[in-house]
Amino acid sequence: GQQLNQSPQSMFIQEGEDVSMNCTSSSIFNTWLWYKQDPGEGPVLLIALYKAGELTSNGRLTAQFGITRKDSFLNISASIPSDVGIYFCAGAYNTDKLIFGTGTRLQVFP
Amino acid sequence: DGGITQSPKYLFRKEGQNVTLSCEQNLNHDAMYWYRQDPGQGLRLIYYSQIVNDFQKGDIAEGYSVSREKKESFPLTVTSAQKNPTAFYLCASTLAGDQETQYFGPGTRLLVL
Repeated sequence: GQQLNQSPQSMFIQEGEDVSMNCTSSSIFNTWLWYKQDPGEGPVLLIALYKAGELTSNGRLTAQFGITRKDSFLNISASIPSDVGIYFCAGAYNTDKLIFGTGTRLQVFP
Repeated sequence: DGGITQSPKYLFRKEGQNVTLSCEQNLNHDAMYWYRQDPGQGLRLIYYSQIVNDFQKGDIAEGYSVSREKKESFPLTVTSAQKNPTAFYLCASTLAGDQETQYFGPGTRLLVL
């Protein structure tokens, strides 16, 4: 099955730094979702985007639905140790099935 | 509290045995999903169900079976035909009318000995 291209695969940053990650698709979507997964747990929904160009924030997290509808971006500002985890993007187009990215593993050092 | 529960958290199976993973939700969600996650990988769809007594195969349905006899329950059976069953299994559900926003359970880690 199709998977989205998500980059970077992993990031090692210092506490307080900002983080950016992105997701690209070969086909257009009308929904983009961003999830965070802690080790041994299920993914938790962070942000949902439903319109091209949409920019949505959730605390220190900001995500954007790309204008081309083929990409999405997630930024985390002023990272803290509890931001550690794997971040997944997911997209859908007029379907109840989501296509998931391969994940970005984030490590934050104090 | 409303939510999605999966049990057990860890499951050990002998090679050649069938095993059933539980997924229950009390959110009154209509659609439910099963995913498999392997280390360093994204989520791959096994089966999904939009209504009771109906379900569809996902991308990797071979070696798995499901049932949807009740709205709140969607158990997954990993059969002996699944050649590489060791993985982390995740269940998710969505509301009708918001089918694209899925909420996940805590997962079951299956280990075949």
